[in-house]
Amino acid sequence: RKEVEQDPGPFNVPEGATVAFNCTYSNSASQSFFWYRQDCRKEPKLLMSVYSSGNEDGRFTAQLNRASQYISLLIRDSKLSDSATYLCVVNGKNQGGKLIFGQGTELSVKP
Amino acid sequence: DAGVIQSPRHEVTEMGQEVTLRCKPISGHDYLFWYRQTMMRGLELLIYFNNNVPIDDSGMPEDRFSAKMPNASFSTLKIQPSEPRDSAVYFCASSLWGASYEQYFGPGTRLTVT
Repeated sequence: RKEVEQDPGPFNVPEGATVAFNCTYSNSASQSFFWYRQDCRKEPKLLMSVYSSGNEDGRFTAQLNRASQYISLLIRDSKLSDSATYLCVVNGKNQGGKLIFGQGTELSVKP
Repeated sequence: DAGVIQSPRHEVTEMGQEVTLRCKPISGHDYLFWYRQTMMRGLELLIYFNNNVPIDDSGMPEDRFSAKMPNASFSTLKIQPSEPRDSAVYFCASSLWGASYEQYFGPGTRLTVT
């Protein structure tokens, strides 16, 4: 079993749609959680951290369920510019600065 | 900030040749990571350093791969001899201990081995 598993893509949605990505992680001792975004042929970049109480950044909302070891990302009113691959990322306890990346979910927003 | 700097950005080489990839982390960061990304395997951690010391090299695929960090501002990843299956994008990333583990990635080196 992979340490971080994500919904298989691609997700093809029209502009303005709401789309949700899910992710599960296997290490119950994980302490830090993130969503990274990777544009085609570019490097991954931090989109947002995920906090226990859930957090929102504009059109983006991240949720964490520690009991179920589940992380989600909701994108509202999707834009063409949201087209990218979204990577679920987890840090494990006592693993120093090491991050575990999921395989990513590709999102394509169409006009 | 200049961000993480990698060179070269693109490398095309013939099988059997030595390849050296270079990375300059963000000044002040104490962690440095080398990743490889392919369509089939996604983003794989190869090795990471803390304060210039290798901490975990379990992701290095085989002895043909080696990495060094002689000082806080420079690291190399070497493949000798290179093989076609090494073709991938190699990313370097750095982070600062205690800063929520956020990693900053360089633009990557796209390696093609023919």
